[in-house]
Amino acid sequence: ELKVEQNPLFLSMQEGKNYTIYCNYSTTSDRLYWYRQDPGKSLESLFVLLSNGAVKQEGRLMASLDTKARLSTLHITAAVHDLSATYFCAVNSGGYQKVTFGTGTKLQVIP
Amino acid sequence: NAGVTQTPKFQVLKTGQSMTLQCAQDMNHEYMSWYRQDPGMGLRLIHYSVGAGITDQGEVPNGYNVSRSTTEDFPLRLLSAAPSQTSVYFCASSRGGGGNQPQHFGDGTRLSIL
Repeated sequence: ELKVEQNPLFLSMQEGKNYTIYCNYSTTSDRLYWYRQDPGKSLESLFVLLSNGAVKQEGRLMASLDTKARLSTLHITAAVHDLSATYFCAVNSGGYQKVTFGTGTKLQVIP
Repeated sequence: NAGVTQTPKFQVLKTGQSMTLQCAQDMNHEYMSWYRQDPGMGLRLIHYSVGAGITDQGEVPNGYNVSRSTTEDFPLRLLSAAPSQTSVYFCASSRGGGGNQPQHFGDGTRLSIL
């Protein structure tokens, strides 16, 4: 059974600081996704990582994938308040659409 | 372009009642999935479909049925509602291609079972 663990679960950080969210998973996969969820809202896709060493960046967020270590990171650069949300990683273990989500990291950026 | 539409947005049921959560997408996506989201547990996959007429179980399928007679629609049926099924339910769709595309999520259905 695939397990996906994120840490930290909660993160409070000041504006302008950098931080990294970690996503570890337990079985082989080369398809990993990052999503953002605002309180009471739906999920929005941020990144799709499809191979070992993949790196994608959008604004202040950068995601990477190391399939050998079964680890993905979401790096936040110079955080701003608008980045406050819950971030989920998700791993596709069986092709198609059998996707397992992590428990999420709730990020609070304090002005 | 509506994307993924879920109805209803809110529902309160009594234990033992049945109901169907509706999900429709207008993007001609092959893949569709149902998740439930509970506090502290992320999203858990209930059932998924890779095309019309093809469905399979996810992580937590007990108490739920699905069918997919058209590409656009993927309803989720609660057979006999239980308080443990109180949750927020999300439907998602994506293009085919072996999981190389992100999922598009609906706005969710907030379901309470009394």
